[in-house]
Amino acid sequence: QVRLVQSGAEVKKPGSSVKVSCKASGGTFSTYAISWVRQAPGQGLAWVGGIIPISGGAHYAQRFQGRVTITADESTRTAYLEMSSLRSEDTAVYYCARDMRASGSYLSFQYWGQGTLVTVSS
Amino acid sequence: DIVLTQSPLSLPVTPGEPASISCRSNQSLLHSTGYIFLDWYLQKPGQSPQLLIYLGSNRASGVPDRFSGSGSGTDFTLKISRVEAEDVGVYYCMQALQPPQITFGPGTKVDLK
Repeated sequence: QVRLVQSGAEVKKPGSSVKVSCKASGGTFSTYAISWVRQAPGQGLAWVGGIIPISGGAHYAQRFQGRVTITADESTRTAYLEMSSLRSEDTAVYYCARDMRASGSYLSFQYWGQGTLVTVSS
Repeated sequence: DIVLTQSPLSLPVTPGEPASISCRSNQSLLHSTGYIFLDWYLQKPGQSPQLLIYLGSNRASGVPDRFSGSGSGTDFTLKISRVEAEDVGVYYCMQALQPPQITFGPGTKVDLK
């Protein structure tokens, strides 16, 4: 059974950076896309970006391009989301999610992490 | 970007009664492979989202058969044949036709009358 476990809550100052991790257990890691989805307080879901570990290349939603870096370490089965130049509007729960199939793209997110709350406050 | 709209945004339901949620796209979600790249997710209170329906009409593993998805092109529907108390939460449709432009609908909050 696939399980995704994320790192703990973070409190950051505006202008700083944060790095959130997502460790996978069970199943295959390298060939399945991992996505990051964020949810601001009381708001809906927004796709931030994703990576297919074996390919090495990440993809980003246009609104986050340039401020977000997604990486994956196949040796530790861990994906990372790093966001820089944080502002109060980045306060949100960040979820990692793994695709249902190794399709080579991002399709259906079958497995989800428990979420990581990132609070940006001075 | 592909924009998804959902209706209604709030849906009070009665246990045992059917319920239906609509999701509309401003572009066809029919992929060149013939599949519909539209999923449905449920986020129960205090939980992570869970996949209900993938590729328009396929129930994900472990999803009760009271849930069904249908539609084609730009209009899609999630139906619950008989609502149960555990079905409360926010339902989202999501399209992945043109990654990385993956978008979610605004969500439909379902709660008990």
